[in-house]
Amino acid sequence: AQKVTQAQTEISVVEKEDVTLDCVYETRDTTYYLFWYKQPPSGELVFLIRRNSFDEQNEISGRYSWNFQKSTSSFNFTITASQVVDSAVYFCALSEEFGGTSYGKLTFGQGTILTVHP
Amino acid sequence: GAVVSQHPSWVICKSGTSVKIECRSLDFQATTMFWYRQFPKQSLMLMATSNEGSKATYEQGVEKDKFLINHASLTLSTLTVTSAHPEDSSFYICSAKSAEEINEQFFGPGTRLTVL
Repeated sequence: AQKVTQAQTEISVVEKEDVTLDCVYETRDTTYYLFWYKQPPSGELVFLIRRNSFDEQNEISGRYSWNFQKSTSSFNFTITASQVVDSAVYFCALSEEFGGTSYGKLTFGQGTILTVHP
Repeated sequence: GAVVSQHPSWVICKSGTSVKIECRSLDFQATTMFWYRQFPKQSLMLMATSNEGSKATYEQGVEKDKFLINHASLTLSTLTVTSAHPEDSSFYICSAKSAEEINEQFFGPGTRLTVL
């Protein structure tokens, strides 16, 4: 069975600080997808990134960066120079590869509540 | 990106009534849609997978007779909460998988259900 663990329930930082959100996953699949979503108070999920299990390159998008390490089954997310608008709940998620019978079904972590104070 | 809508965005109903929630893919065809439920301050849990033209597949522990899912077209799936009770109060979110972009999945904005 697939499992995603976000050990940090809540994180509080002051604006301009860097913050890293941890994500550890478990799966028996050799090919899978990892995701990060942001959920602001409105509730709507905002897609941040999708990563294929064969692509271990780290990615940077503006102030956001992701570190994927297959050896430790981790897919951590770092926000550089955090801003108040980054305050939200962040979810890490895992899905089976395309072609599998369960493809597309997302297993979500428990979520990390990030609060950025001015 | 592709757009998925949900209607209504919020609903309040009395215990014992049935509530229908619609999930529409506005600019793409969705062969598969997923329904998730999120209780306050908790994570999203998959309830069921809805495939166009066939019966939905429910996750373990989800009552299929209580949560009726119909995926009648490539752009519409509906979730009906039958005989709703206060414990069914939750945030229901659908997602739609594009038939063209096989690796893409798009989430709706969610429907907040409150059962009095």
